[in-house]
Amino acid sequence: EDKVVQSPLSLVVHEGDTVTLNCSYEVTNFRSLLWYKQEKKAPTFLFMLTSSGIEKKSGRLSSILDKKELFSILNITATQTGDSAVYLCAATSGTYKYIFGTGTRLKVLA
Amino acid sequence: GAGVSQSPSNKVTEKGKDVELRCDPISGHTALYWYRQSLGQGLEFLIYFQGNSAPDKSGLPSDRFSAERTGGSVSTLTIQRTQQEDSAVYLCASRVSSGNTIYFGEGSWLTVV
Repeated sequence: EDKVVQSPLSLVVHEGDTVTLNCSYEVTNFRSLLWYKQEKKAPTFLFMLTSSGIEKKSGRLSSILDKKELFSILNITATQTGDSAVYLCAATSGTYKYIFGTGTRLKVLA
Repeated sequence: GAGVSQSPSNKVTEKGKDVELRCDPISGHTALYWYRQSLGQGLEFLIYFQGNSAPDKSGLPSDRFSAERTGGSVSTLTIQRTQQEDSAVYLCASRVSSGNTIYFGEGSWLTVV
């Protein structure tokens, strides 16, 4: 059965801290790994990763994929209160299936 | 439209009533998904539409759930005889046919009392 596991389930940090969120996956016909940020209802897209070892970066956020060990990490440096959210990762299987993890709930304290 | 549009944003209904949730995908997006997210849970796949192909309904939890997509654009998710366990956020997402990234609407928060 396809599955995506995220850790930790929740995390509380202080502003300025650096956090690393983990996502491991086991899916058939793996194609890509996506990260989303969910603050209220709609998850918003952060990154899509398809190749191992190539870091994607956007401001203070970065992500990398390891297709040999079947995991991805999302790093957030110099965290801000606005980074508080649930971070979801999803692995795509085949041509159209997206398998989501349960998310990591991040709370950044001022 | 600029983004995926869903309505209603919030719906409170009595147990046993039917509800309809609507999704208007991004213009030009031929692939459309419905997901359900219960409190504190991940996204549960419900159904997938791609163009005129037969939909993948494998995620629908029971025969009380159905969905259609008219004219290859707007989709309606119908829940008949709602139960309290149906309370959740129902998220719609769409993407272009050849794309990898799905884009979500704001969701419809359903509460069954």
